[in-house]
Amino acid sequence: NSKVIQTPRYLVKGQGQKAKMRCIPEKGHPVVFWYQQNKNNEFKFLINFQNQEVLQQIDMTEKRFSAECPSNSPCSLEIQSSEAGDSALYLCASSLNSVYEQYFGPGTRLTVL
Amino acid sequence: GEKVEQHESTLSVREGDSAVINCTYTDTASSYFPWYKQEAGKGLHFVIDIRSNVDRKQSQRLIVLLDKKAKRFSLHITATQPEDSAIYFCAASTGFYGGSGNKLIFGTGTLLSVKP
Repeated sequence: NSKVIQTPRYLVKGQGQKAKMRCIPEKGHPVVFWYQQNKNNEFKFLINFQNQEVLQQIDMTEKRFSAECPSNSPCSLEIQSSEAGDSALYLCASSLNSVYEQYFGPGTRLTVL
Repeated sequence: GEKVEQHESTLSVREGDSAVINCTYTDTASSYFPWYKQEAGKGLHFVIDIRSNVDRKQSQRLIVLLDKKAKRFSLHITATQPEDSAIYFCAASTGFYGGSGNKLIFGTGTLLSVKP
């Protein structure tokens, strides 16, 4: 069973507000991924890290989304100015290295009103 | 861009029967194919994976087949049980050295119902 911890489980924000969610990867897993799962079960990769360094991120992430994985602190994903279309389940996954299986947390369900 | 298509959006089987879920992918560089299970209100639970150096892998009641020529892979659940009922997602990745940092491209899920 996955030991990836995500907080909060639910987040409700108004349009234009900041939304921040956190992820603690499994112990010993240096690689962290963030994905967005919408209500149609379409997944979008957002960003991944190896330790504190960004490996890859999509354009969307570069504009309104910011993420970090500081040393000895939870990883975080923040949406600077939430939009209705950001309403989704945000999933964090961790991996022993970038070619091994990814283990997912329970997700943060964001609702933007 | 790369896509993964999951052919069955719903699947209903009787307890004890086998269930088969099929996926196809577009990126010929894909080399890693995991499957995940999602129950209502929960995150994704890893169930099994297969890499492109083999064409079959089994773990207890789960069998994954990979046909690289057809760019197709499938999950077979044998002797199904009611607790197998969930949404199953297939995914594909080119792996770290394929340039995508091992990001997963997911199918849109198959809702499996196992009826007693």
